[in-house]
Parts: sequence; C-alpha cells; structure tokens
Amino acid sequence: SQQGEEDPQALSIQEGENATMNCSYKTSINNLQWYRQNSGRGLVHLILIRSNEREKHSGRLRVTLDTSKKSSSLLITASRAADTASYFCAPDSWGKLQFGAGTQVVVTP
Amino acid sequence: GAVVSQHPSRVICKSGTSVKIECRSLDFQATTMFWYRQFPKQSLMLMATSNEGSKATYEQGVEKDKFLINHASLTLSTLTVTSAHPEDSSFYICSATEGQAKNIQYFGAGTRLSVL
Repeated sequence: SQQGEEDPQALSIQEGENATMNCSYKTSINNLQWYRQNSGRGLVHLILIRSNEREKHSGRLRVTLDTSKKSSSLLITASRAADTASYFCAPDSWGKLQFGAGTQVVVTP
Repeated sequence: GAVVSQHPSRVICKSGTSVKIECRSLDFQATTMFWYRQFPKQSLMLMATSNEGSKATYEQGVEKDKFLINHASLTLSTLTVTSAHPEDSSFYICSATEGQAKNIQYFGAGTRLSVL
C-alpha cells in the first residue's frame, strides 16, 4: 500500500512557533498532496508537490519531498490558532489519493 | 475556487432504512467524483470512484449493493446507503476533480450518518 503515514500523530504548539510534520509512503508516486481538515468537516487542499520537485512553498507552508527516502514534510511557519486542524498527506498514483491517519495540530494562543 | 456541496450534513435514521447523500459541484464540471468514509481520528477510506455516465468503481471490501453510487450528471453524484445498520454509522465525504486538473480533489463538508 502507498498509504501515507504521518508523524507525529499529534502536535501541540503555541502561536508563533513552527509546526513540522512528516509523511512516509511505500511505493512510487506521481505527486504527493497535503490536505487539512477541521473537526467534522471536509478536507481542504493545501499544496501539491510533483515527484520531480524537491521543495515547494505556499504562503506560510513549506513542503519537501524526498523520493529516494519516500518521505515528505510539511512545515507551517509562524503558526496561528486558526491553523488548529488535522493535516493529512496523500501520495497520489494513478489518480487515487491514499490518506494516512493525519497529524492533529493544536495551536494555543 | 471550486466548490463542492454535500447534503445533508447530518442524518439520523432507523436501522433498515435507506439514506441518500448528495454531492454537487457548484461551479465546475466534475469529471470524477470520489466517496470516502472516515472513522473518528482515522484516515479517509476510499469507497468508490465514479465517472459521469458510467458505473462506479468500488474498492475492495466495499459492497456495491449496500452503497449505491449514481453519477448521472457532471455536477451531481449520490451515495445511497441501503438498509442501513448501526455499523454503517460514520462520516461520509465526497470529493470531485475538475477537468484537466485531475490531481487536486475538492471536498464536500461531509455527512455524519447515525443509524439507530
């Protein structure tokens, strides 16, 4: 299975700090995506990084991809209380996203 | 941006009844729609993939007669949970992809199903 596996499962930080979470997967991918989910809601797409890319930025988000290690990381800089959510990585191959269990991030004011 | 509307957001039903969940793409044509199921604090489990005008492709272990999926138009897909039982209680989420940008999925807000 190429289901993404996030680490850590939970992360608690204070506003202004950075939050880093990691994702590992098992097989080759076309791209890897990160999504966020607020409690009891649908998912929101954050960023997509292609298999031939190593790093990508979007606002306060920075994603890295290491295909040799089959891993990715998501960094949220200068976190805000509104960043509190669950974050999922989703390796994509053949158009199917295989979500992991997510990292639950809590940002306290 | 692309908006996907899912209805209802919450449904409570008696065991043995059927429940229909709608997923609509409001401002784009959804070539492909996906249905997921999510248990508390767990991953999204892909149930099926549907393309407009064709039969849905179900993932292994998902009963197609239990979870009926219809994708009759480019903006609407429905999931019907037939003869619901308490073990079907879960959070169901749909998503859709738009045209050529097939990589990104746009999600509905989900439907919380509780079967009594």
